[in-house]
Amino acid sequence: EAQVTQNPRYLITVTGKKLTVTCSQNMNHEYMSWYRQDPGLGLRQIYYSMNVEVTDKGDVPEGYKVSRKEKRNFPLILESPSPNQTSLYFCASRRLDRSTGELFFGEGSRLTVL
Amino acid sequence: GQQLNQSPQSMFIQEGEDVSMNCTSSSIFNTWLWYKQEPGEGPVLLIALYKAGELTSNGRLTAQFGITRKDSFLNISASIPSDVGIYFCAGQGNAGNMLTFGGGTRLMVKP
Repeated sequence: EAQVTQNPRYLITVTGKKLTVTCSQNMNHEYMSWYRQDPGLGLRQIYYSMNVEVTDKGDVPEGYKVSRKEKRNFPLILESPSPNQTSLYFCASRRLDRSTGELFFGEGSRLTVL
Repeated sequence: GQQLNQSPQSMFIQEGEDVSMNCTSSSIFNTWLWYKQEPGEGPVLLIALYKAGELTSNGRLTAQFGITRKDSFLNISASIPSDVGIYFCAGQGNAGNMLTFGGGTRLMVKP
């Protein structure tokens, strides 16, 4: 089954404790992206990657890092989480030769930073 | 970044009613998309629009790409309880591969 898998789905952590949210897709997609969803603000892009070892900032990259060492994986790293990073996070992927819109999303990771 | 204004923010309607929601932008977009997010899930693409003036249907859903390329609307006819969810518009301009999302419309349907 074609899918984008995120882990963990739920996490409660404390300020300053480094964490990583993993994302993996099995569709051989070149493009991968991370979004955060906050009430009334829709989905805002954090980082995206158009291929292995190629990453770029989105609209809200501050406080986040990403890496793309393999095509299928695109982890999101919070080196020193803060309460304003409490949010619902989505990873998404697509082929580069398809429309930007045809993104496949993971099920989301709800993060709470105390 | 670019801003998309989506309205209404929420709707509470009776089963069988028609629904209309829209998005407007201060910038021109080349592509408009509509997604639906069900509780506990990620957004799923409903309709994609690629040309100004384009009107596209997907079952009971109809969406249009505005002539000015700065707006789009989504209509749902004869709503049913499984239409419940958050609907997002999204637009893509000329700036690379970034999608800009609207704030979402939360739809609730009373049986």
